[in-house]
Amino acid sequence: EVQLVESGGGLVKPGGSLRLSCAASGFTLSAYGMNWVRQAPGKGLEWVSFISSSSRHKYFADSVKGRFTVSRDNAKNSLYLQMSSLRVDDTAVYYCARGRSGYSGPNCFDPWGQGTLVTVSS
Amino acid sequence: DIQMTQSPSSLSASVGDRVTITCQASQGISNFLNWYQQKPGKAPKLLIYDASNLETGVPSRFSGSGSGTHFAFTISSLQPEDIATYFCQQYDHLPITFGQGTRLEIK
Repeated sequence: EVQLVESGGGLVKPGGSLRLSCAASGFTLSAYGMNWVRQAPGKGLEWVSFISSSSRHKYFADSVKGRFTVSRDNAKNSLYLQMSSLRVDDTAVYYCARGRSGYSGPNCFDPWGQGTLVTVSS
Repeated sequence: DIQMTQSPSSLSASVGDRVTITCQASQGISNFLNWYQQKPGKAPKLLIYDASNLETGVPSRFSGSGSGTHFAFTISSLQPEDIATYFCQQYDHLPITFGQGTRLEIK
C-alpha cells in the first residue's frame, strides 16, 4: 500500500524553526517528484514546495521562498521541509503529496499524507 | 499567478441529483487541471486529472470536462458519501494554484 506519513509538527514561536519529515512506503520514492502543500485552519489549499526525483529541481511558493528549504533522502525513503523565520501566517496543516512520475515539475498530488499541524504563536 | 475561481462556493443538493461545479482560470491552462475531494478532517484525494481523466478506483459518477479557461466537475447522481469540499488545481504555470473550494452538502 502506498503511504505517506508526516511528522515534526508542533508549536513554535514566531521567528523560530521547525523541520518536517515525510516517510514514504509502498513505492519507490526515487521515481517521483514530491510536494508539500499546506492548509491553514478552515481555509483552502496552498502549494508550498516541489522537489524533483533527483533533487535537481526545487520550486517554492513566493510566500515561503528564502525561508523554507526542501530536501529528500531516497535511500531513507524520506522527504523533508526545513522551515525557518516562521510567521503566524505559516500556521497550517502541512501535507506531503506525491507527484506523477516522469515530470520535472509539480503536476498533480496523489496520494497525500495525513498531515502534520504547525502552529506559530507566541 | 493564475487565479482559479470556483463556483459556487457552497452547494446543497439531494441524493440522486446531478451536481456541477465550475472552475475558471484567469488565463489559458490547456488541460492541466485536476480535481480533488476533501472530506472533513481528512487529506484531499485526487479524483480527476488532466481535466477529464478519472483516477483509478474513483466511481464513474464523477467526471470532468473543459480546456483552456473553463472547466466543469460533475457528479451524475449524488450519494451521501460525496459530502465533502471539492477543489480544482492548475499546474500549467508556477506557482501551482487551487480554487477556493466548493462545500457540498446534502439537502
